[in-house]
Amino acid sequence: GAVVSQHPSWVICKSGTSVKIECRSLDFQATTMFWYRQFPKQSLMLMATSNEGSKATYEQGVEKDKFLINHASLTLSTLTVTSAHPEDSSFYICSARDRGLGGGPRTRGSYNEQFFGPGTRLTVL
Amino acid sequence: DAKTTQPPSMDCAEGRAANLPCNHSTISGNEYVYWYRQIHSQGPQYIIHGLKNNETNEMASLIITEDRKSSTLILPHATLRDTAVYYCIVRVNTGNQFYFGTGTSLTVIP
Repeated sequence: GAVVSQHPSWVICKSGTSVKIECRSLDFQATTMFWYRQFPKQSLMLMATSNEGSKATYEQGVEKDKFLINHASLTLSTLTVTSAHPEDSSFYICSARDRGLGGGPRTRGSYNEQFFGPGTRLTVL
Repeated sequence: DAKTTQPPSMDCAEGRAANLPCNHSTISGNEYVYWYRQIHSQGPQYIIHGLKNNETNEMASLIITEDRKSSTLILPHATLRDTAVYYCIVRVNTGNQFYFGTGTSLTVIP
């Protein structure tokens, strides 16, 4: 099956620094990727939708200047947490939608598949 | 997208069937029911999806009621590795985003 990777898997940083998290689709092209945040014992919260070659669309309440998203290629999206603070400590997960060969959406029956990465744990001291 | 309601937690004996319910009483006609699970500190894993017919794959079965207001995910022979949080999500198939609810924390007991 399709594989999505994230790097790093775990990062610890000092308050005030910026941290970049990478999300890669390893064996398929993804024109759309998604970023989620998950606090301990809570569900995943969608932060933003990342579209290749255009600006990301942020969910209500998510600061776009705080969480910078770049989707420069069909296999890579990055999330940069700027001026990180302890309250930004969380588990960040990306997912990617498989566009399939020829650029059209990959479907199984009528399913538009989406694959999740393993997550990145950010700890801000 | 419609919202879903799931019990917060369930236990199941190893080797027995695990039946996880989900209510989605406001589901629209063009919305599918998806099930994902998340094992601790990992990304969500796709399990199964369906529109109105029951579905079965190598991982699980999905039973959707005739009025589509609820569904049940069935793990036929639960193992300890099935311990995870299970999320039921409804979404139009052409939509992009998945909005996760609180899910059901399933614990498989030896």
